[in-house]
Parts: sequence; C-alpha cells; structure tokens
Amino acid sequence: DGGITQSPKYLFRKEGQNVTLSCEQNLNHDAMYWYRQDPGQGLRLIYYSQIVNDFQKGDIAEGYSVSREKKESFPLTVTSAQKNPTAFYLCASSTSDYRSYGYTFGSGTRLTVV
Amino acid sequence: DAKTTQPPSMDCAEGRAANLPCNHSTISGNEYVYWYRQIHSQGPQYIIHGLKNNETNEMASLIITEDRKSSTLILPHATLRDTAVYYCIVLSGYSTLTFGKGTMLLVSP
Repeated sequence: DGGITQSPKYLFRKEGQNVTLSCEQNLNHDAMYWYRQDPGQGLRLIYYSQIVNDFQKGDIAEGYSVSREKKESFPLTVTSAQKNPTAFYLCASSTSDYRSYGYTFGSGTRLTVV
Repeated sequence: DAKTTQPPSMDCAEGRAANLPCNHSTISGNEYVYWYRQIHSQGPQYIIHGLKNNETNEMASLIITEDRKSSTLILPHATLRDTAVYYCIVLSGYSTLTFGKGTMLLVSP
C-alpha cells in the first residue's frame, strides 16, 4: 500500500545535539512538507518542497534544515539552534494538483529533548 | 489565505449526527474548503473537500453555503471513534495547508 513512513516514532535527544527525522513516501507525490505540533495547538509549517533539489521555509524554519535529493525522501534535521525542539513532528506529501485529495500525512515522530 | 473560524469544542451522542460549522467569510473564488481530523497522537486524516457544490463520501458530507462564506461538516452517525480534533481549512494552488486550532468533537455513549 502507498503511504508515508516516518521514523522513528519516538526520539530522545540530549540538549545540544542535532537529530534527523526521516520521512519517506511511495505515493509518487511531487510536494512534501514538515509540520510541528505543540500540545493543544494546531500544526505549524516548518519547511516544504515542491520539487526535488528545491525547498522553501515555512512559518517556523529557524533551527531546522532539510534536503530533497530524491522525490521519495524529505529528511528534517533539528539542530542545536532550535531553542525548544520538544514537539510532535509530522511529515506530509501532496500531488501538484491541490484540487485532488489535499495532503497525506505520516504518523509522526515525537521528539523529546532530555 | 482565507482564515477560518471554528468552535473550540462540541459534544455529540453516539449514533446521532454531528454537525461541525466553519466560517470562512474571506474565502476567494479559487479556494477549496478542506476538512481534516486528527485523532490523539496521530497524523491528520483527510475527510472531504469541496469548492461550491455539496459533497458526500463514505466518511461525511460537506455543505457549503451559496455565498461560500461558511460550511458544515456532517458525520451522519457519529461513533466513539469519531472523537477527534476537526480542522476546516481553505486551500488554493498558491498556498500551503494552514491549520488553526480546530474543533474538538467528543462523542459520548
């Protein structure tokens, strides 16, 4: 079955360390997205990519970095510059035709800084 | 992007219809109305979307007013598994999906 896979489901990181969250999709979608969710809040856009080797900052890109070397993959690195990295991170993908089914989301990675 | 307004919470009895309202008074002609839901600690799930006509699928119905300034998501026979946060979002080809706080729907036995 097609879908989006995020790994790991839970991640613990020591303060000051960089960590990379994985996101892979086999839906043949052109666009991919990273969102962050804090308790009781909606999702906020971190970065997005509409085509391989290109990406744009979202609303809260500071302290994060991404790459898009393959259509299927869009990893997110949470750097030590991110002041409050503990959150639930969600990856999504979509076709270039937004009038279809919108975005498909992964099951998320819960990052905790200890 | 047009902003949306939703009530923070709603209750519904199991087996009854759940009607979730959404105001989007500044929606423009090329913006679609999308509904997603998020069950606790999971990724959002697509429910339904529409432009100006009413839409129905196996999960829900979407009623959009003629002036397109508001819409209602209808879950015809709510179950306990429908307890979730429901997001109403307007989307065009020039924007990304932007989430507000949504409506927390609690379905009770």
